Amino acid sequence: EVQLVESGGGLVQPGGSLRLSCAASRFTFSTYWMSWVRQAPGKGLEWVANIKEDGSETYYVDSVKGRFTISRDNAKNSLFLQMNSLRAEDTGVYYCARDSFPTDLDYWGQGALVTVSS
Amino acid sequence: QAGLTQPPSVSKALRQTATFTCTGNSNNVGNQGAAWLQQHQGHPPKLVYYRNNNRPSGISERFSASRSGNTASLTIAGLQPEDEADYYCSAWDRSLNTWVFGGGTKLTVL
Repeated sequence: EVQLVESGGGLVQPGGSLRLSCAASRFTFSTYWMSWVRQAPGKGLEWVANIKEDGSETYYVDSVKGRFTISRDNAKNSLFLQMNSLRAEDTGVYYCARDSFPTDLDYWGQGALVTVSS
Repeated sequence: QAGLTQPPSVSKALRQTATFTCTGNSNNVGNQGAAWLQQHQGHPPKLVYYRNNNRPSGISERFSASRSGNTASLTIAGLQPEDEADYYCSAWDRSLNTWVFGGGTKLTVL
């Protein structure tokens, strides 16, 4: 079955940076869009960003535009999220999801916890 | 960005039927329907219904979905204790160019 494993989460001070990674396996990574979705503690799901199969198109939620960058390395079956100028409200679990654009977010990783606090 | 609208909670007795609704607009739910995700406490979301109204492999036949206009629905028949979870709807919004989610409905099986 499809496997997605996030890494790179942790504690960071406001204004700091963090880079999340997602290792994908058991499917042809280069033929799928990919997304990042986050969930603040005790809250619902919030989509963050997605990226086309070849990396030529990206979309972001307004609250992270200019601060977060999604990218991918198809040779290494990996997805990334570079997060800069982090704020307390960015705290949450960040999930990597396979994006069967534009129909379904059909497989999800276990998530990486990001805590932004001084 | 605007999200989809879901009731915050539903409570039903064991073996009864629960129905969840998800309301959007013509750019998201009204365009291609909504997918449904189940999330148990402390676990990642899991797709339980595709946007095209098909069930993923391994999902119980007790789950069914439908759409009428800008409102999508998920129905779970013969409720079991393991169905107790949060249920989210999702759809791509072609106007906003973003995925949008409902706020989630917490199902309690009594």
